[in-house]
Amino acid sequence: SQKIEQNSEALNIQEGKTATLTCNYTNYSPAYLQWYRQDPGRGPVFLLLIRENEKEKRKERLKVTFDTTLKQSLFHITASQPADSATYLCAPLYSSASKIIFGSGTRLSIRP
Amino acid sequence: DAGVIQSPRHEVTEMGQEVTLRCKPISGHDYLFWYRQTMMRGLELLIYFNNNVPIDDSGMPEDRFSAKMPNASFSTLKIQPSEPRDSAVYFCASSFPSGNSGANVLTFGAGSRLTVL
Repeated sequence: SQKIEQNSEALNIQEGKTATLTCNYTNYSPAYLQWYRQDPGRGPVFLLLIRENEKEKRKERLKVTFDTTLKQSLFHITASQPADSATYLCAPLYSSASKIIFGSGTRLSIRP
Repeated sequence: DAGVIQSPRHEVTEMGQEVTLRCKPISGHDYLFWYRQTMMRGLELLIYFNNNVPIDDSGMPEDRFSAKMPNASFSTLKIQPSEPRDSAVYFCASSFPSGNSGANVLTFGAGSRLTVL
């Protein structure tokens, strides 16, 4: 079955630096890959989606890359701020209407 | 729009009792997903519906769990009888294939925190 792996260790970054989170998947490549943010006590919130034929997608300080050869997506937050501290989840989709399975998430802490 | 509305926000019950969690999706969304989140297992998909029809319930842990969607604006997740290992946060999310991508993008509710004693 398909496995989705994210850094299980928390990531601690100094404010102003770039945070990079990794999402690896096994077997066949998804058609889309989504990233969500989850704050404590709240449901996940959608951030970005990238398609398999896109190498990179940007939204303000966020950037997502998708490498089907490496079977990996990277999620970058540039000029990180303490308000970016949260858990970030990736979710590959194998068709536009497929079920959405999430990785275990990576907890990101930005220290002032 | 008020977003995805879940109730109750918190439920504490005793082992063996029936638990019913409720969800009102965003109007116009034709997909509805139920997830369960624990520290140990992360966010697990239990079941999802399209146009009120269950599409995949392979994540439902066992027969004690059941989900229904009688109409486009309401869904329930029922656990009968409940057990301590069912303690978790249960999320409902709705979506429709959106934007240029045409892919489902989820909007989550605030979750229902269930504690089974």
